[in-house]
Amino acid sequence: DAKTTQPPSMDCAEGRAANLPCNHSTISGNEYVYWYRQIHSQGPQYIIHGLKNNETNEMASLIITEDRKSSTLILPHATLRDTAVYYCIVRVDGANSKLTFGKGITLSVRP
Amino acid sequence: NAGVMQNPRHLVRRRGQEARLRCSPMKGHSHVYWYRQLPEEGLKFMVYLQKENIIDESGMPKERFSAEFPKEGPSILRIQQVVRGDSAAYFCASSPGQVTDTQYFGPGTRLTVL
Repeated sequence: DAKTTQPPSMDCAEGRAANLPCNHSTISGNEYVYWYRQIHSQGPQYIIHGLKNNETNEMASLIITEDRKSSTLILPHATLRDTAVYYCIVRVDGANSKLTFGKGITLSVRP
Repeated sequence: NAGVMQNPRHLVRRRGQEARLRCSPMKGHSHVYWYRQLPEEGLKFMVYLQKENIIDESGMPKERFSAEFPKEGPSILRIQQVVRGDSAAYFCASSPGQVTDTQYFGPGTRLTVL
């Protein structure tokens, strides 16, 4: 079973920031938070991951609370092409371990 | 640098036939994972392989399914005597096999069993 909890859906306006929340209250010290997304029926796309510090790349920012029990994925300027299912996943460190996908959150970006 | 490649992208089989799905990992990646997504369901892990070794097959159905990742060539997911319930999207992911390594997914193979 997934160790994360996400709302089922949310929407945002094109050009605005999309803030996608995730709860992982039982996360262990050696578990990373990963975010993937799946656009329509395509293969999942890696977005970003982090352990305890905030992370930023060309796609998004990841904000992890100090107690690590929750995180937020931020898409700074959402476009219509960002409409997808976003998955928040916790994964042990360095174990080459499988990804356990939950139901994710469906983000709908409206014009 | 090419991404993970899967072929065929679409595969149609009749009940009782065999299905072979191929996955070529990203260059430099030696670890392969297979996942299955049934219609209207989430992605489920099936098997994790390194070259010539099956590391974790805890998600593989006990019968009819097998996987390999030979020293040379792509990883193969084989489904014998397919049934309609095998209709799904099968995704392969690869990783370089390092600490905190990230899995990158291919476009998937959509299997339809008639």
